[in-house]
Amino acid sequence: DVKVTQSSRYLVKRTGEKVFLECVQDMDHENMFWYRQDPGLGLRLIYFSYDVKMKEKGDIPEGYSVSREKKERFSLILESASTNQTSMYLCASREYGQPQHFGDGTRLSIL
Amino acid sequence: DQQVKQNSPSLSVQEGRISILNCDYTNSMFDYFLWYKKYPAEGPTFLISISSIKDKNEDGRFTVFLNKSAKHLSLHIVPSQPGDSAVYFCAASGPASGNTGKLIFGQGTTLQVKP
Repeated sequence: DVKVTQSSRYLVKRTGEKVFLECVQDMDHENMFWYRQDPGLGLRLIYFSYDVKMKEKGDIPEGYSVSREKKERFSLILESASTNQTSMYLCASREYGQPQHFGDGTRLSIL
Repeated sequence: DQQVKQNSPSLSVQEGRISILNCDYTNSMFDYFLWYKKYPAEGPTFLISISSIKDKNEDGRFTVFLNKSAKHLSLHIVPSQPGDSAVYFCAASGPASGNTGKLIFGQGTTLQVKP
């Protein structure tokens, strides 16, 4: 079974802090994704990566950056956290031609 | 400009009856559609998919129907069970995604199945 692990289930940070969300997958998948889920808006793609050190912006990249130094790890970075980044963050990975597999999410609160 | 829309935020169904969840899309280039189910405090899990070359795909109690001319798909759950209570997301992709697997998700529909 594919396992996508997000390092924290719940996280509370303050405005202006630099925040790191970590995601690790154990299936050697090429593609990895970061989404945020907000009520009434569904899942919106922030960034994705199709290979090590390769990344592309999704639909809402503003205020975020990513890092993929190793194939199994995809990190989401909030450069300077703001209250409108309070959300559920979901990481996913995918083998080519297969559906995406999701982690259990990180509920991030910015105070 | 939401390319994938789930216009019903919630649906309540009696156990044993049929649940029908709907999804509309605007981009005629979409050629692959998926449904995911999400329980609270868990990530979405893949449920069923359909390619645009088909109009129906069935997996046990779950059937997805695709009407390309109407740009509409639906998920039928028969019979519905209380364990099916969850948020259901439809998602779509097309040639523009290349081999990245990038998906466009709808807003989600919360299904409640009453015992």
